[in-house]
Amino acid sequence: GQQLNQSPQSMFIQEGEDVSMNCTSSSIFNTWLWYKQDPGEGPVLLIALYKAGELTSNGRLTAQFGITRKDSFLNISASIPSDVGIYFCAGQLGAGNNRKLIWGLGTSLAVNP
Amino acid sequence: SQTIHQWPATLVQPVGSPLSLECTVEGTSNPNLYWYRQAAGRGLQLLFYSVGIGQISSEVPQNLSASRPQDRQFILSSKKLLLSDSGFYLCAWRQWSWETQYFGPGTRLLVL
Repeated sequence: GQQLNQSPQSMFIQEGEDVSMNCTSSSIFNTWLWYKQDPGEGPVLLIALYKAGELTSNGRLTAQFGITRKDSFLNISASIPSDVGIYFCAGQLGAGNNRKLIWGLGTSLAVNP
Repeated sequence: SQTIHQWPATLVQPVGSPLSLECTVEGTSNPNLYWYRQAAGRGLQLLFYSVGIGQISSEVPQNLSASRPQDRQFILSSKKLLLSDSGFYLCAWRQWSWETQYFGPGTRLLVL
C-alpha cells in the first residue's frame, strides 16, 4: 500500500541534543499528523498540521507542514530520556468518511542520559 | 471525554485456534473505527475500517475478519490463527468530522 518515506529510521542521541526527523511523499496531503508511541502502548498524537506552511509547537516539539504539501518535519529540542519511543508521521488523503491516513514506518529514538 | 478500550491486553494462542479481539469506544457516537497491526514495533498496517454498524472495509486480504455489531464496538476475528498473525493489534477511532485518529492501548498477540 501507499506509504510515506520517513527518515531517519532510527536515532541514538545524547540527552540535551536536538532531534530532527521528516516525512516525504509524492502525494499531496491536506493534513499531517505526528504521533509518538511508547513501548507496548498505542500511539499518542503530538501535533496536527492543517495548512501548507503551518509551523506548530507543543512544548519542546515543533512541526511544520511543507509548503508543497508533500512533506513535514518534526523537531525535538533539548531531548530528555522520556523522549524515547517511536515517532510516526501520517498524512491524510480524501474527505469525509473516505478520509484515509497514510503512515510512515517510524523513527525510533533512543536517548542516552 | 472519549475513551477507547481494548481487550485482552495480551494473548497467547496456538496455531489453528480462533481469535476474537474487542475494541470499545466511550463518550462518542457514530465514530469511524479502525484495526491496525504492528509487527516488530514498527510500521502500522491498516487492516479494516468501519464507518458505521455492519459496514466493514478490508484493506489487506488475510485470514482475519472484522465486525461491528454495535455503534461503539469493533471486533477482530479469525477462525484459524497462523504464526504470521502474531503482532501488536491497535484499534483507533475518529469522529467523522475530525482529522485525527485516537488509539487504544493495543493487544499483543503471540501465536505459537
